[in-house]
Amino acid sequence: DTEVTQTPKHLVMGMTNKKSLKCEQHMGHRAMYWYKQKAKKPPELMFVYSYEKLSINESVPSRFSPECPNSSLLNLHLHALQPEDSALYLCASSLGGNQPQHFGDGTRLSIL
Amino acid sequence: TQLLEQSPQFLSIQEGENLTVYCNSSSVFSSLQWYRQEPGEGPVLLVTVVTGGEVKKLKRLTFQFGDARKDSSLHITAAQTGDTGLYLCAGVGVETSGSRLTFGEGTQLTVNP
Repeated sequence: DTEVTQTPKHLVMGMTNKKSLKCEQHMGHRAMYWYKQKAKKPPELMFVYSYEKLSINESVPSRFSPECPNSSLLNLHLHALQPEDSALYLCASSLGGNQPQHFGDGTRLSIL
Repeated sequence: TQLLEQSPQFLSIQEGENLTVYCNSSSVFSSLQWYRQEPGEGPVLLVTVVTGGEVKKLKRLTFQFGDARKDSSLHITAAQTGDTGLYLCAGVGVETSGSRLTFGEGTQLTVNP
């Protein structure tokens, strides 16, 4: 079982909907990450939070809005997404530095 | 820009065979991780290597980090059908933020019974 928990596991939404993805970890990790992954491809970094502050935004469109309410939680708010945004969205956490990242099982997102 | 070239991209073998997956770069990494990902799940960390020349074993899996910390390999002995999955190498560059992983393109391994 993964120690990074993501909900929901699957999400289908229309292009005008607003939804949120949630991620939670209780390993005391201070760095948390959002990745987007297409089938049979490696994860692509979207955002990094370090000590609850956004430290990296990989030029992600504003229709994706991250939020880190506290050191254990990470959200990704979605609004007006496009069909090409359909993918597996992965959350990860780490102690920071060059320490390994631990991934959740992801949210499979489909945009109609 | 740091790149990790992973090969082969696809590998289909019979149960019991051995295989090796390679990750190569012209850049130096302070650490390198190997992950396995199965359909519908996130990548699962298999190992982290940090010292040049380091060799780590995990049952039938042997991981090696190159002396110059620019390359790594994963060797599987006597593959089993349960080894099927997407294998990803990912490194933290010495020149980049510790929060940024560079991923290889992945190796899709299929072990046939």
